[in-house]
Amino acid sequence: AQSVTQLGSHVSVSEGALVLLRCNYSSSVPPYLFWYVQYPNQGLQLLLKYTTGATLVKGINGFEAEFKKSETSFHLTKPSAHMSDAAEYFCAVMSNAGNMLTFGGGTRLMVKP
Amino acid sequence: GAGVSQSPSNKVTEKGKDVELRCDPISGHTALYWYRQSLGQGLEFLIYFQGNSAPDKSGLPSDRFSAERTGGSVSTLTIQRTQQEDSAVYLCASSQNLQGTYGYTFGSGTRLTVV
Repeated sequence: AQSVTQLGSHVSVSEGALVLLRCNYSSSVPPYLFWYVQYPNQGLQLLLKYTTGATLVKGINGFEAEFKKSETSFHLTKPSAHMSDAAEYFCAVMSNAGNMLTFGGGTRLMVKP
Repeated sequence: GAGVSQSPSNKVTEKGKDVELRCDPISGHTALYWYRQSLGQGLEFLIYFQGNSAPDKSGLPSDRFSAERTGGSVSTLTIQRTQQEDSAVYLCASSQNLQGTYGYTFGSGTRLTVV
């Protein structure tokens, strides 16, 4: 069965600083990987996804993530944090059967002025 | 519709009562999923529907939980004899295909509080 581990349930950065949210997964087959963002009292919004092809994936709002098979990682980065980036971020992997997403526990990003 | 619609957005119920949560997916999306998000926890898979196939109920936590999807569109999640531990945000999502390779589109959720 797949699993997803997000290191750090809370991450705090200063406005303008680099954002790095960590995600490691386990999967016995080449995975499909996703990052979602959840703003307060809203549903989840897709940030970016990796299915095949280029391992560096660019998403919305200036975020990107790199699939590293050797490290079983799919870390999310953004060069310069904005106050509006404060939210909860979820990493997810598609199941082996390809029929549902398994989510990590989430990381709450706080941005300090 | 333009997005996934869930109703009600908030529900407060007394312990022991039954509740129904509704999800209206994006038109044409064949797959529909229910997840539960408890305070301070990640998303817990409950059930999914794909077209006319039998649903995968493997994530339902107890037999008090059931769901149906009528006409391949609207879905209802029913919780019978609610307990306090059922308090959570229930999220519905739909996708163009079961593989979800286009990503899921989530609704805003129903916040259920059992008192």
